[in-house]
Amino acid sequence: RKEVEQDPGPFNVPEGATVAFNCTYSNSASQSFFWYRQDCRKEPKLLMSVYSSGNEDGRFTAQLNRASQYISLLIRDSKLSDSATYLCSPGDTGRRALTFGSGTRLQVQP
Amino acid sequence: GAVVSQHPSWVICKSGTSVKIECRSLDFQATTMFWYRQFPKQSLMLMATSNEGSKATYEQGVEKDKFLINHASLTLSTLTVTSAHPEDSSFYICSAGTLQETQYFGPGTRLLVL
Repeated sequence: RKEVEQDPGPFNVPEGATVAFNCTYSNSASQSFFWYRQDCRKEPKLLMSVYSSGNEDGRFTAQLNRASQYISLLIRDSKLSDSATYLCSPGDTGRRALTFGSGTRLQVQP
Repeated sequence: GAVVSQHPSWVICKSGTSVKIECRSLDFQATTMFWYRQFPKQSLMLMATSNEGSKATYEQGVEKDKFLINHASLTLSTLTVTSAHPEDSSFYICSAGTLQETQYFGPGTRLLVL
């Protein structure tokens, strides 16, 4: 099993739609989780950190299910500017390096 | 958030030459920085952990003699791709973090080896 697995996508949704991505992880010891957004040919930018059961920031909600070892990202009222690749990463408290999933590509269409 | 810079942002070089990439933390000190590589349509893969004042730790499959890492100060780490070949063409990204574990990425360096 891969350390981190994500829905491959691409997800093509209309503006205003609600879309959810899932990410499963294999390291049950992970205590923190991160969602990053990566635009084409750019570096990842931190979107959200999750340290407990979940986190919410505006239109974005992340939920953590430790029993099933997955985290999800929900985007409400999608905007064209949300089009990007979304990477999830469980933190590694031992060394702080990040292991990324392959990313889920989102394309929001007018 | 914290700011991390990289230089150069892109470089084209001939096969066999060496290329040095700099990663700087601009507004905080980083005893540890990380170097990642990303091939087209793939995710970021950790190459090595750069430790200030000591040797870098390389991930399995990454040649330490080919990818030289120097972390001479708390704000600067360098990655040198020695004797670059076309298969080394990639997007190289560094990251550094705060004590809260959050990692901030540099803008990346796109390397094309002809």
